[in-house]
Amino acid sequence: AQSVTQPDIHITVSEGASLELRCNYSYGATPYLFWYVQSPGQGLQLLLKYFSGDTLVQGIKGFEAEFKRSQSSFNLRKPSVHWSDAAEYFCAFSPGANNLFFGTGTRLTVIP
Amino acid sequence: SQTIHQWPATLVQPVGSPLSLECTVEGTSNPNLYWYRQAAGRGLQLLFYSVGIGQISSEVPQNLSASRPQDRQFILSSKKLLLSDSGFYLCAWTPRGRGGGYTFGSGTRLTVV
Repeated sequence: AQSVTQPDIHITVSEGASLELRCNYSYGATPYLFWYVQSPGQGLQLLLKYFSGDTLVQGIKGFEAEFKRSQSSFNLRKPSVHWSDAAEYFCAFSPGANNLFFGTGTRLTVIP
Repeated sequence: SQTIHQWPATLVQPVGSPLSLECTVEGTSNPNLYWYRQAAGRGLQLLFYSVGIGQISSEVPQNLSASRPQDRQFILSSKKLLLSDSGFYLCAWTPRGRGGGYTFGSGTRLTVV
């Protein structure tokens, strides 16, 4: 079955610390992979996406993600978290043109 | 540039009342259009998608319906709302064909009372 899993429901990090949000997918081939961020009461903003090529993808706001085929993972990272990064983060994958499967999200809290 | 508009931003409706949420896309043609719902504390669930005028695919059978009367207009409707219809509704679009990134609207917070 096609699915995407975000094992961490809630993560708390200190401002300035590094961040890694986990994402694993289940699909028979290499899907298109995405990370979105959602601030409270807002829509989703695309942080980055992976379609093919270089497995380390750079996104907006200083985020990056690495596609690891052997681990079926697409983890999101940021070397130094800012208080404004507090939000809900969604990993998603698309096996084709007409569907996008989302993980259940990871809520990030940033403490001073 | 392409933009997506979704309205209203918030809506409080009584049980049994009708619903109409509208989404329009500007700056592109022949987009794929989507309606997602995000229930409290849960991820996003695809409700409907459309690849063209009058073409609607439903992912989850429920109390809602969708229509696409124009190329860049996507409407989510219900004849009689249920309490379980409460949630955050998001419209999205992608360019036609494989590989496009999904762009989301700002969402509609629906509370059924």
